[in-house]
Amino acid sequence: QKEVEQNSGPLSVPEGAIASLNCTYSDRGSQSFFWYRQYSGKSPELIMSIYSNGDKEDGRFTAQLNKASQYVSLLIRDSQPSDSATYLCAVNPLYNFNKFYFGSGTKLNVKP
Amino acid sequence: DADVTQTPRNRITKTGKRIMLECSQTKGHDRMYWYRQDPGLGLRLIYYSFDVKDINKGEISDGYSVSRQAQAKFSLSLESAIPNQTALYFCATSDGTPTNEKLFFGSGTQLSVL
Repeated sequence: QKEVEQNSGPLSVPEGAIASLNCTYSDRGSQSFFWYRQYSGKSPELIMSIYSNGDKEDGRFTAQLNKASQYVSLLIRDSQPSDSATYLCAVNPLYNFNKFYFGSGTKLNVKP
Repeated sequence: DADVTQTPRNRITKTGKRIMLECSQTKGHDRMYWYRQDPGLGLRLIYYSFDVKDINKGEISDGYSVSRQAQAKFSLSLESAIPNQTALYFCATSDGTPTNEKLFFGSGTQLSVL
């Protein structure tokens, strides 16, 4: 079983819509969770981190964490064509602090 | 100038050749990582180092070795390259702060083994 699972997509949404990206993880003891954005041919860049159950908002991005159900989600409001990228979910298991596990990524297409 | 620099950016080599990928950073971070990225498989950890004297295997270390020459330098070697090591390789750093676990990635090295 993979540590971190994501739907590979592609997820297509119209411009201005809400894009919802989901991620599940296997290690129940995991404590920190991240969303990275990766444009084609580029390196990943961190857009959100979340450590506690609930929602965390940063501009158009909201990360949601539910430790009981072992899932993390990322909502992108007012999606723009420039949001078209692959979104990688990453988890840092408590037992091996600072060793990150990545999902395979979800490709998002925002259509003008 | 990039904070995490990888060289070369692209490399084509033949099966059986030894190859080294280099990574240097100016961020002053102790922690450095090597990942490879394959389509559909995401980023997988090859090796990581939490300081100059600390080297640890990741998920997929077979066929690879690393050297941490200094705090700022972490190189990845393929002793005898094989075609299934064709991938995009990323070096990354972090400062290890519990509340700031951000990974900073280099621009990547696209390696092709023929």
